[in-house]
Amino acid sequence: DAGVIQSPRHEVTEMGQEVTLRCKPISGHDYLFWYRQTMMRGLELLIYFNNNVPIDDSGMPEDRFSAKMPNASFSTLKIQPSEPRDSAVYFCASSPSPGQGNQPQHFGDGTRLSIL
Amino acid sequence: AQSVTQPDIHITVSEGASLELRCNYSYGATPYLFWYVQSPGQGLQLLLKYFSGDTLVQGIKGFEAEFKRSQSSFNLRKPSVHWSDAAEYFCAVVASGGSYIPTFGRGTSLIVHP
Repeated sequence: DAGVIQSPRHEVTEMGQEVTLRCKPISGHDYLFWYRQTMMRGLELLIYFNNNVPIDDSGMPEDRFSAKMPNASFSTLKIQPSEPRDSAVYFCASSPSPGQGNQPQHFGDGTRLSIL
Repeated sequence: AQSVTQPDIHITVSEGASLELRCNYSYGATPYLFWYVQSPGQGLQLLLKYFSGDTLVQGIKGFEAEFKRSQSSFNLRKPSVHWSDAAEYFCAVVASGGSYIPTFGRGTSLIVHP
């Protein structure tokens, strides 16, 4: 049973470059979440989708960040241009429809991003 | 809005000792509560969850947690810790009747001494 798949696992790039992170959610899950994890701020929700539609992007730090979900099996998080302060671990998670709120999230193993 | 507090940033225990990780939440009604574990280099994995009913819930890897409404707490426990339990532990709360999107605590790092 495949879990949430993220790629790449590690990304090192120079400041100013475009970065694209990819996520394949678990089949049948209606919700997809992008998180950022840092030592300073902990786990932050950036954006989430329901049935491929962005519902809440209030956590996206600034216009340099964008996320898309062109279909139910693929999502991207893009940073352009990247800055050193974007260095973090980025997680994708998916869940079935929350229903009564009793559905846990399933996390990928994350992308460790380093901007030099 | 709901919030979650994990008062301990780090906890150090000896292998074989008992463990309790604290979690306090702020929410007016009964929330849905979760504990996740994050091993190094991996994503968060669900340990256990509470929705209703029995306030003592059992999870994977020998963990349990008890919901105490009067204390707004959902502490995680394990009677005997193994070295492989060293990880980051996150408590999360979902507000019933809201967006059903979880709010995570800052996490507690568990260090296990041999």
